[in-house]
Amino acid sequence: DAMVIQNPRYQVTQFGKPVTLSCSQTLNHNVMYWYQQKSSQAPKLLFHYYDKDFNNEADTPDNFQSRRPNTSFCFLDIRSPGLGDAAMYLCATSRDKGTAYEQYFGPGTRLTVT
Amino acid sequence: AQSVAQPEDQVNVAEGNPLTVKCTYSVSGNPYLFWYVQYPNRGLQFLLKYITGDNLVKGSYGFEAEFNKSQTSFHLKKPSALVSDSALYFCAVRDERTSGSARQLTFGSGTQLTVLP
Repeated sequence: DAMVIQNPRYQVTQFGKPVTLSCSQTLNHNVMYWYQQKSSQAPKLLFHYYDKDFNNEADTPDNFQSRRPNTSFCFLDIRSPGLGDAAMYLCATSRDKGTAYEQYFGPGTRLTVT
Repeated sequence: AQSVAQPEDQVNVAEGNPLTVKCTYSVSGNPYLFWYVQYPNRGLQFLLKYITGDNLVKGSYGFEAEFNKSQTSFHLKKPSALVSDSALYFCAVRDERTSGSARQLTFGSGTQLTVLP
């Protein structure tokens, strides 16, 4: 089945120790998104890629970076995690950037910062 | 600016009874409306969307939603609730006419649905 895969599902890192979360998709979608979700709140968009075109949300901290080496993979890098960065991180894709397209989400990576 | 409101943090319903999860929106142009469901420790799953056409939209797992332009609402409904429907439900909106970052989805705060056996 075509899907969005996130690894690992659970990640524990130490305060200030860089961490990378990964996302892959078999849907061949052009757009990939990274969201942060805390405590069953609404997901907060961090950034998205339309193909190789990177789009950062204005309020996304510089501590968060992303890479998309090819259509299938996208990475979220947190350079110096703080306690406030503990959250569920959701990767999503959509076929294209038109506003009518729904998004398909991965299962998420729950990040714990100790 | 676009926004969406889910006025109820929690909805409880007995199994077999009809359920409604409420959503209202605000956009400048025409709305594109979506419902997603999230089970514990999982990502969001797409349920249904309204883009244009028939105001009653049918989606996955027996859910449907009715678009009401005059009331700016897009309530999620199901005729007979199941215990397995218990989850967190998010309504989301996009304005058809926006561009740039504003083209992104705006999510509501979520409604926790609990179906009691």
